[in-house]
Amino acid sequence: NAGVTQTPKFQVLKTGQSMTLQCAQDMNHEYMSWYRQDPGMGLRLIHYSVGAGITDQGEVPNGYNVSRSTTEDFPLRLLSAAPSQTSVYFCASSYALQASYEQYFGPGTRLTVT
Amino acid sequence: DAKTTQPTSMDCAEGRAANLPCNHSTISGNEYVYWYRQIHSQGPQYIIHGLKNNETNEMASLIITEDRKSSTLILPHATLRDTAVYYCIVRAYSGAGSYQLTFGKGTKLSVIP
Repeated sequence: NAGVTQTPKFQVLKTGQSMTLQCAQDMNHEYMSWYRQDPGMGLRLIHYSVGAGITDQGEVPNGYNVSRSTTEDFPLRLLSAAPSQTSVYFCASSYALQASYEQYFGPGTRLTVT
Repeated sequence: DAKTTQPTSMDCAEGRAANLPCNHSTISGNEYVYWYRQIHSQGPQYIIHGLKNNETNEMASLIITEDRKSSTLILPHATLRDTAVYYCIVRAYSGAGSYQLTFGKGTKLSVIP
């Protein structure tokens, strides 16, 4: 299994540009989520999905959209990039919502907005 | 989710046991204690979790006090590769609170040769 994969690994955007961060998992996990991590900070939840066709907002959803058309994929869209969105983005997945299941994280996408 | 308090940083000699404490005095009965670590900006990695009883796996041991207000993660024989930020997280068993892992700033563990 490849686990959780994210593309691209690095990205530089200009203010106002849009782009999609890709996330895929091959473990047939129901639950997927996106976090951002700013320098010296912990991770903050952006959006999450409990299954195909179902998404919800996390702690910091503004400026981001998500969709979940398949179990495997959970892309994160930046609608109009801003310097405040410069961060490292992590995608995670797990079997279900229950706390007895651990979350698996991808390697991250490092985004810089100029 | 209950708040957690961890020391900002700790050092440990290579080959010795690393004991990382965590306070979670407001933990409720349906909340698990989780430990994750993050090695140099990689994605966080699950280590271990528990509810009431002490737990052990191939990576670490988790000791939870009887009142569940604190816990200790033990890495029995720390290596240089264990240098990382360690996060202690409490998370509800199910329901709306179970979807999120709330990461604080964690403990920066430095394993010294």
